[in-house]
Amino acid sequence: KQEVTQIPAALSVPEGENLVLNCSFTDSAIYNLQWFRQDPGKGLTSLLLIQSSQREQTSGRLNASLDKSSGRSTLYIAASQPGDSATYLCAVSGDFNKFYFGSGTKLNVKP
Amino acid sequence: ETGVTQSPTHLIKTRGQQVTLRCSSQSGHNTVSWYQQALGQGPQFIFQYYREEENGRGNFPPRFSGLQFPNYSSELNVNALELDDSALYLCASSSAGLGGENTQYFGPGTRLTVL
Repeated sequence: KQEVTQIPAALSVPEGENLVLNCSFTDSAIYNLQWFRQDPGKGLTSLLLIQSSQREQTSGRLNASLDKSSGRSTLYIAASQPGDSATYLCAVSGDFNKFYFGSGTKLNVKP
Repeated sequence: ETGVTQSPTHLIKTRGQQVTLRCSSQSGHNTVSWYQQALGQGPQFIFQYYREEENGRGNFPPRFSGLQFPNYSSELNVNALELDDSALYLCASSSAGLGGENTQYFGPGTRLTVL
């Protein structure tokens, strides 16, 4: 059974710092990996989708990498802002477009 | 904001009751997945519907059931509610069928509280 782990569980940084969130998964037979953002009590917002054949994706200040063979992904956030404060979830998809999620990293960016 | 909508936003029920949650998928999407997210946890896959048929199921008992309609909207039904069913229920739509290559777009969720 696929298991997804995210480290750290929580992170607090001052505004302007670059930071890295980590995600690992146990079964490398995935279709894709997706990073989401979740604000308190809200649904999920898709940030980046990396297909299994790709190594990385970039959107603005966000860069996500995927190393399928080692079962790892990282989300890099450049020049963090207070508005980036949220929980970041990593999910990998298997058969039937079923997503397996980690428990998330709760990020707090202090002004 | 995605085009996925869910209703109701919040719901309070008592143990043993039944509940129906609704989801309207994004235009052009034929696949709907349902997830349960307990407080402080990541979402857990309940099941998926593709063209009105169940297309995969997670580790949830049969009292969790669903429907998908010809317009691709969907319902999640939960019978004999238990306290542990209290959670945020998320619906996600995509245009993928059997493959996992397409982005899933999530709705805002329904917060269910069971007393």
